[in-house]
Amino acid sequence: GESVGLHLPTLSVQEGDNSIINCAYSNSASDYFIWYKQESGKGPQFIIDIRSNMDKRQGQRVTVLLNKTVKHLSLQIAATQPGDSAVYFCAETPVTAGNKLTFGGGTRVLVKP
Amino acid sequence: DTAVSQTPKYLVTQMGNDKSIKCEQNLGHDTMYWYKQDSKKFLKIMFSYNNKELIINETVPNRFSPKSPDKAHLNLHINSLELGDSAVYFCASSQDWGSEQFFGPGTRLTVL
Repeated sequence: GESVGLHLPTLSVQEGDNSIINCAYSNSASDYFIWYKQESGKGPQFIIDIRSNMDKRQGQRVTVLLNKTVKHLSLQIAATQPGDSAVYFCAETPVTAGNKLTFGGGTRVLVKP
Repeated sequence: DTAVSQTPKYLVTQMGNDKSIKCEQNLGHDTMYWYKQDSKKFLKIMFSYNNKELIINETVPNRFSPKSPDKAHLNLHINSLELGDSAVYFCASSQDWGSEQFFGPGTRLTVL
């Protein structure tokens, strides 16, 4: 098993409940934001993105909220499932920097059956 | 049918050695990247190539040298390996500069 990342912030959630993962970003010039999911032993996987001209975007079971005033981003997962157990990262970039993403520190989500 | 592949998946080597990690994408993307993920899971970009040209070169020791023989490949060569180089290295690709990035499975490098 994995022995790294044990000190990541962890969110424990009951299967079927909703999860909310928060992310604070620091670069006020950032205008493109992405959430990634990283399962154990795998690379990050794109979940959903949002541009700064929006404050909410919905996908399948996921919603991203953006509050530019306080530089805060959140990911809501509806009806959390065991397969949602992973580490979640937010990433930001100013569009002028193209795809030079700056990643947040990650939050581990553990789904309890 | 793997989109972004890396070899090897695990690499264990002694300090001072030189090693390479290979990355290939079969998505027809123009842009490729290398990231380093440390033991605290912190993920940081190292390099990016667009159409075989270097466009991002973060503050990385010059012991690290990316090489892109063609658009589908971006290899990472590391000279004189140090203990602090131990990490998981991820390759990624995107259609172009500004598009969604697809990550490979990672290469776990352990320097003893």
